[in-house]
Amino acid sequence: DGGITQSPKYLFRKEGQNVTLSCEQNLNHDAMYWYRQDPGQGLRLIYYSQIVNDFQKGDIAEGYSVSREKKESFPLTVTSAQKNPTAFYLCASSIETSSEQYFGPGTRLTVT
Amino acid sequence: GENVEQHPSTLSVQEGDSAVIKCTYSDSASNYFPWYKQELGKRPQLIIDIRSNVGEKKDQRIAVTLNKTAKHFSLHITETQPEDSAVYFCAARSDYKLSFGAGTTVTVRA
Repeated sequence: DGGITQSPKYLFRKEGQNVTLSCEQNLNHDAMYWYRQDPGQGLRLIYYSQIVNDFQKGDIAEGYSVSREKKESFPLTVTSAQKNPTAFYLCASSIETSSEQYFGPGTRLTVT
Repeated sequence: GENVEQHPSTLSVQEGDSAVIKCTYSDSASNYFPWYKQELGKRPQLIIDIRSNVGEKKDQRIAVTLNKTAKHFSLHITETQPEDSAVYFCAARSDYKLSFGAGTTVTVRA
């Protein structure tokens, strides 16, 4: 789990603003993922990337966008189109998509 | 897509007793089943996993069993200790994606 960082830990935004969450890893992992966690629910996959310059929608991609320009970085943008953005966001990485996933410490986003 | 159901949602056990959490999955093509432990405000951490070609795996006080025919798998924690108190998530991987159960909050009473 060391080697994946997310910043900031807490983020506050006004409704209608886009916000970008950072995820960086120095594990030399090819695959990276973004999950959303709400109270009383499991983790839900937003986007994943198997390799640089490639990413796929997960189960709840609407209102989110990502980029994968570098192997180490997989930023997530929460757009104003996301109707209920307040949540705990977790980034993860793995050597490849068939390998164990390691999670970052998470970013708690609050939109008011 | 894959659908994972997890039971119970909460579990309270006396220290030293065993805890069992059960999960079912829907996609028969799922081939990897990890279990994660998440302490309050922290990141999920993998505690044990099992692949579809294995029926049981054990690591000290933790064991996981898999029944592919019935499409269910279980986590067993023996001799529970206060530090086992956390939320536990099961997951199943299908088509490169992990699908998670809703979680079980385990409380170990001293």
